[in-house]
Amino acid sequence: DAGITQSPRYKITETGRQVTLMCHQTWSHSYMFWYRQDLGHGLRLIYYSAAADITDKGEVPDGYVVSRSKTENFPLTLESATRSQTSVYFCASSVRGASDTQYFGPGTRLTVL
Amino acid sequence: GESVGLHLPTLSVQEGDNSIINCAYSNSASDYFIWYKQESGKGPQFIIDIRSNMDKRQGQRVTVLLNKTVKHLSLQIAATQPGDSAVYFCAEKVMHQGGKLIFGQGTELSVKP
Repeated sequence: DAGITQSPRYKITETGRQVTLMCHQTWSHSYMFWYRQDLGHGLRLIYYSAAADITDKGEVPDGYVVSRSKTENFPLTLESATRSQTSVYFCASSVRGASDTQYFGPGTRLTVL
Repeated sequence: GESVGLHLPTLSVQEGDNSIINCAYSNSASDYFIWYKQESGKGPQFIIDIRSNMDKRQGQRVTVLLNKTVKHLSLQIAATQPGDSAVYFCAEKVMHQGGKLIFGQGTELSVKP
């Protein structure tokens, strides 16, 4: 049972480069979420998706782009990476969203030089 | 405004003792709360949840207490074990926006053998 996976687990990139973080879940959950985790800020929602082709902004969406062409995948793209985007990124999913528990992936540690 | 905070950033307990981790929330309209455990290098893991129509909920070795009068949440871990060492987050669920979670900063629980 793979559950929810993220790739890569670690990524180092340079300022200005485009980076895509992948998230894949095998539960067929409707909702998927992207968070970033930083010291002093805890976990903050970047984007979420209620279903394929439906996405919406969270608390800190600037500088990020998401898509969801398939239910099981929810990639997060940093179109032009900045140092302030150095963080640990977590993907999560839930069956119905508002009333369901969110299950988290293992995270991707991204460093922007 | 919406905010969830934790009273103590660190907690150290002796193996076998009970642990109590506290959390304050400010949004009195929120009706669903979750505790997550995050081990080093891993994503948050669901522990237990509680709805606002309850004062107490018990799981395996864990109990969550909700005091709506003072907007306070606590997680009690019975007979704390070394494997309980982790960062514990409380989260408040905003029922719109697809189940947006507002996380507290986290309390690091350290269990001494």
